[in-house]
Amino acid sequence: AQSVTQPDIHITVSEGASLELRCNYSYGATPYLFWYVQSPGQGLQLLLKYFSGDTLVQGIKGFEAEFKRSQSSFNLRKPSVHWSDAAEYFCAVGRNTGGFKTIFGAGTRLFVKA
Amino acid sequence: DSGVTQTPKHLITATGQRVTLRCSPRSGDLSVYWYQQSLDQGLQFLIQYYNGEERAKGNILERFSAQQFPDLHSELNLSSLELGDSALYFCASSADPGQGPGDTQYFGPGTRLTVL
Repeated sequence: AQSVTQPDIHITVSEGASLELRCNYSYGATPYLFWYVQSPGQGLQLLLKYFSGDTLVQGIKGFEAEFKRSQSSFNLRKPSVHWSDAAEYFCAVGRNTGGFKTIFGAGTRLFVKA
Repeated sequence: DSGVTQTPKHLITATGQRVTLRCSPRSGDLSVYWYQQSLDQGLQFLIQYYNGEERAKGNILERFSAQQFPDLHSELNLSSLELGDSALYFCASSADPGQGPGDTQYFGPGTRLTVL
């Protein structure tokens, strides 16, 4: 069965510091992988996605993620965090079934300290 | 603003009742997805419609049903409500029935349902 694990429930980083959010997935084939961000009281916004090709994916707001098949990982990174990045981040895996099903991780809440 | 609208924003009701949540997709999008976000279950995919037809089904309870109308808006019906149904219900829309590199799901702001 497909699953997504985000091992960190919450992370605190200082403004200007680098960030890495971890994501591991379990899937039988080449997965479609996503990172979404949810700000308080808002819906989800897509940061980036991986379907195939280059394993380093660039997204919006300065985020990037690297797909590592050997480690079943898709970690999200940002070189310098801004206070406005404080939010909840969800890793997800999806598959086409004639429609599209998405499975989300439990989320990692990011706190940014001044 | 994603362009996806959901009404109502908040809904408070009692156990055993039935409610209807409404979603209007972005202009031009034919797919509508419903998700449930709760503290104990996290974010779960419920169901997807594409151009009026059911396309994918997730962890949707038998007490819940959805439909997509000819004008492409969608409704999620929740009946015989239980305390555990209290959650944030999101709708998302996309252009295509599946997902490809060029397609993206856009999420609405959600409807917060509280069952007392």
